[in-house]
Amino acid sequence: EAGVAQSPRYKIIEKRQSVAFWCNPISGHATLYWYQQILGQGPKLLIQFQNNGVVDDSQLPKDRFSAERLKGVDSTLKIQPAKLEDSAVYLCASSPRTGGGETQYFGPGTRLLVL
Amino acid sequence: QKEVEQDPGPLSVPEGAIVSLNCTYSNSAFQYFMWYRQYSRKGPELLMYTYSSGNKEDGRFTAQVDKSSKYISLFIRDSQPSDSATYLCAMSVTGANSKLTFGKGITLSVRP
Repeated sequence: EAGVAQSPRYKIIEKRQSVAFWCNPISGHATLYWYQQILGQGPKLLIQFQNNGVVDDSQLPKDRFSAERLKGVDSTLKIQPAKLEDSAVYLCASSPRTGGGETQYFGPGTRLLVL
Repeated sequence: QKEVEQDPGPLSVPEGAIVSLNCTYSNSAFQYFMWYRQYSRKGPELLMYTYSSGNKEDGRFTAQVDKSSKYISLFIRDSQPSDSATYLCAMSVTGANSKLTFGKGITLSVRP
């Protein structure tokens, strides 16, 4: 079974530029998550999709971050414009269903450095 | 007070040592307790999973949950250099759409 795929793996941009990350979840997984992991901290949920609908985006900085999940499969997370404090690893995860206790399967992440 | 607090690191032990990793939490509604392992430049992977209180053992790994004290632990017996990674505790409540809340993680290094 193929795992969660993410691209690019690394990205360096200057502040105020825009950037986009792509995620392909495990086939058949209905729920997709985007997390932000700042160095030395645990992952923080940015947005959760159930199929192509948003379940939770309460911690997504909506003035600069946006995300979509096309046809309930792939997802894209965008930052525009980027700030220095957005430097982090952006992790995508998927699970078969939503709900407490569901095992989440993580991709390798995209490392973003904002200069 | 953060919802989930994890012992600060890093932690360095000799090969063969018993390792104890701990987290405390404040939300009494948490029912699912997990330990994820994250190798350098990789995404987290689920290591142990416990529902409510009690112990769970899997090979060299034992997870304990004490809901009365709001305290969870992960024990690693006969630690190996391959156990060197960051360990994250994570918790969630029951119900649809509930989310995982992670601790900060602790980096473990097992010296050969």
